[in-house]
Amino acid sequence: NAGVTQTPKFQVLKTGQSMTLQCAQDMNHEYMSWYRQDPGMGLRLIHYSVGAGITDQGEVPNGYNVSRSTTEDFPLRLLSAAPSQTSVYFCASRPQRGEKLFFGSGTQLSVL
Amino acid sequence: SQQGEEDPQALSIQEGENATMNCSYKTSINNLQWYRQNSGRGLVHLILIRSNEREKHSGRLRVTLDTSKKSSSLLITASRAADTASYFCATASRGGSEKLVFGKGMKLTVNP
Repeated sequence: NAGVTQTPKFQVLKTGQSMTLQCAQDMNHEYMSWYRQDPGMGLRLIHYSVGAGITDQGEVPNGYNVSRSTTEDFPLRLLSAAPSQTSVYFCASRPQRGEKLFFGSGTQLSVL
Repeated sequence: SQQGEEDPQALSIQEGENATMNCSYKTSINNLQWYRQNSGRGLVHLILIRSNEREKHSGRLRVTLDTSKKSSSLLITASRAADTASYFCATASRGGSEKLVFGKGMKLTVNP
């Protein structure tokens, strides 16, 4: 099993550009989530999904969109990137009745 | 808003010594989890303790939970250089465990 796979690993954007961070898991986990990690701030929850077709907002959802059309994939979209979105982004998943999260290796995003 | 707060923020010890990290939180929880993050990597789950448990062991890890003080501690015994990493506590609230809230993390350095 590959676990949770995030692509790309690194990305540089200009202000106003759009892009999609990809996240896929092969563990048949119902729950998936996106966090951002900033120095001194720990991890903050952006969006999460408890199953295909169901998404909900976390602590810092503004500027980000998500959708969940399949169990395996949970992409994170930045419609108009801003420098404040410079961060490391982590995708994580777990079984619906599970409790511990399985993390991807992260995407380091810089917005200039 | 951060739920957990790790203390100290940084700790440097010698190989073979024990390392103790503390976590304080604000609201009632369903469970508390500890994660490790090696530099440039995703987080890895270490141990989970439920609100009705007071102590749990896993290998060289010992975690305690005091719900009256809203605090937890993680003890790593006989530390190794490979334990050098950042450690995060995360809480799942009673109201809904879909949102796992992380603390800001603490940096442990184990010197050989």
